[in-house]
Formats: sequence, structure tokens, C-alpha cells
Amino acid sequence: DADVTQTPRNRITKTGKRIMLECSQTKGHDRMYWYRQDPGLGLRLIYYSFDVKDINKGEISDGYSVSRQAQAKFSLSLESAIPNQTALYFCATRSSPPGELFFGEGSRLTVL
Amino acid sequence: KNEVEQSPQNLTAQEGEFITINCSYSVGISALHWLQQHPGGGIVSLFMLSSGKKKHGRLIATINIQEKHSSLHITASHPRDSAVYICAVIGGTGNQFYFGTGTSLTVIP
Repeated sequence: DADVTQTPRNRITKTGKRIMLECSQTKGHDRMYWYRQDPGLGLRLIYYSFDVKDINKGEISDGYSVSRQAQAKFSLSLESAIPNQTALYFCATRSSPPGELFFGEGSRLTVL
Repeated sequence: KNEVEQSPQNLTAQEGEFITINCSYSVGISALHWLQQHPGGGIVSLFMLSSGKKKHGRLIATINIQEKHSSLHITASHPRDSAVYICAVIGGTGNQFYFGTGTSLTVIP
């Protein structure tokens, strides 16, 4: 089983729909991240969490929200999806410094 | 403004060639990662280093903290090395990652 699991792996939806991407990890790490990847751009941070009670905005948090339901689970929501949120989304975890990064397989979201 | 710059952006090599991918950064860092992303999207961490050199199989990563530069070398390249290689640095506080846009490597048999 993967250390970091994302669901769904692929999703096509329509403008205005609410979408949730889920992430779960078996590494026991405190730190979890949501990134978005667009062609020609580096990974950009949407939100991050250092424990269940700690949620922080990243550089591109507008239009997104997150929930840290447990140490192992970190969900990303798009309350009202728009086409420019079409991208590949990655969840990642990291142990306390100097920990390595572990990524999920990615969730490809298409908003029509 | 890109805190992390990689070169080249694209690279095509013949099987067996020695490959070098470069990463320069402009921020103070606590560590640097080299990541590999295969077609299909998944990202795996190849190396995390804060000084010197690390080797894993045919892959070698080096970092020069004073020059704010890192290189990833692949010896005896193989078509299965075809992937996007991403350099990422961890800011000095340990809380902020900065990612390069990646180097797309194609190794031709």
C-alpha cells in the first residue's frame, strides 16, 4: 500500500460544483501539504498543516479550503469549482525536520 | 521571481550518456530535495541533502551551500530514467518549500 493515498485519482466536474480531494497517510507524520501543479509552473502550495489543530494558508489558497480530520487525513475542498482550477493536485507529508517529503500519486481535476 | 532555477528545462540524451541537471537557488536553505516525476504524475523523493554529496545507484547529488547550487548526475543513463526532475529547497526556517519548474529528461535507446 502507498504511504500517501489520494482519492480520487481523476475527476471531471462542472463549473460551480463542490469537489473534495482526500488524502490519507500511513507514515505517522505531523506535517501535511496540498500542492497544485500546472504545466510550466513549479508546485505551488495551497494549504499546509503541522498538526490537527494547525492549518495554514499557502501562496494560492483563494478558492480552496481544507480540513485536517485526523493526523492521517487531510482533505482539500473546492467550494465552487472554476475552470482555472483544472490542474494536478498533490498531497505530501513530511516528518518533523529534517524529514523527507512523501507525495501521493496525484489527483487530476478537470473543471469544465 | 523564482527562488529556484533549474537548467536545462529539457534534455534529450542517448542511452549510456552521463547527464547533469543543475539547480540554483536564491534563498537561505536548511535542505535541498531532488524529486523525480514519471509520466502519469507520481512524485518520489530521490535525495535530501544539506551538504556535500550523496549517491544512490547511478544517481549522484551534490550541493555547494556557499554558491547556492546543486547538481544531479545520472551515470550510464537508461530509458527508464526518462522523467521530470524537480529541485526543491526548504527555507531556513524549515517551514517553506520552494520548487523549481523541473527538467524534462528523455533518454533514447
